[in-house]
Amino acid sequence: GAGVSQSPRYKVAKRGQDVALRCDPISGHVSLFWYQQALGQGPEFLTYFQNEAQLDKSGLPSDRFFAERPEGSVSTLKIQRTQQEDSAVYLCASSIGTGNYGYTFGSGTRLTVV
Amino acid sequence: AQKITQTQPGMFVQEKEAVTLDCTYDTSDPSYGLFWYKQPSSGEMIFLIYQGSYDQQNATEGRYSLNFQKARKSANLVISASQLGDSAMYFCAMRGRLNYGGSQGNLIFGKGTKLSVKP
Repeated sequence: GAGVSQSPRYKVAKRGQDVALRCDPISGHVSLFWYQQALGQGPEFLTYFQNEAQLDKSGLPSDRFFAERPEGSVSTLKIQRTQQEDSAVYLCASSIGTGNYGYTFGSGTRLTVV
Repeated sequence: AQKITQTQPGMFVQEKEAVTLDCTYDTSDPSYGLFWYKQPSSGEMIFLIYQGSYDQQNATEGRYSLNFQKARKSANLVISASQLGDSAMYFCAMRGRLNYGGSQGNLIFGKGTKLSVKP
């Protein structure tokens, strides 16, 4: 596609519910990142994929967070048993290669846990 | 550790005037890259400008220029001739190292500056 597409744009979840957030990167982009942006803060790194391989998941805040990119294109970030502190905007970004390339961001998914 | 500091939570500027948004960074790497992004209320992060640590000249992109002072570890964004559409959050970011040991870097962001342009 022309840009990075994320869905849904907004998600309201009851505490304890599982959610799945989708990212469709630019076609052919090797690198894919997930970031979490709390209200009034800058985005913080969650995890990185190179094609289908998850090479860095050091930013995932707990074992309730899980991400996958099984065919090296679309990625899903899953949050199990959501808590109020999970409320944030989740941004996805992709990059054409590895190394010193630019990043293209999606519009994000705003998750509100009530 | 790599870190970005933006000390201005909010800034006001009159339409058509210039404004400088501050950014300082901390890194021990000799080679690094610095970015500025704009985030309007719609949420997407829009790339504005990039400065590499070895670039001889300050980066410019249209109305955006980067005042890069390497010795002071600062990378301030200058927006000339402000427009109402410039009202947004602005984030300074640095390319950081990932844990897998490869060449791909992620972005480390500051907390941002909210710019409001007054008519």
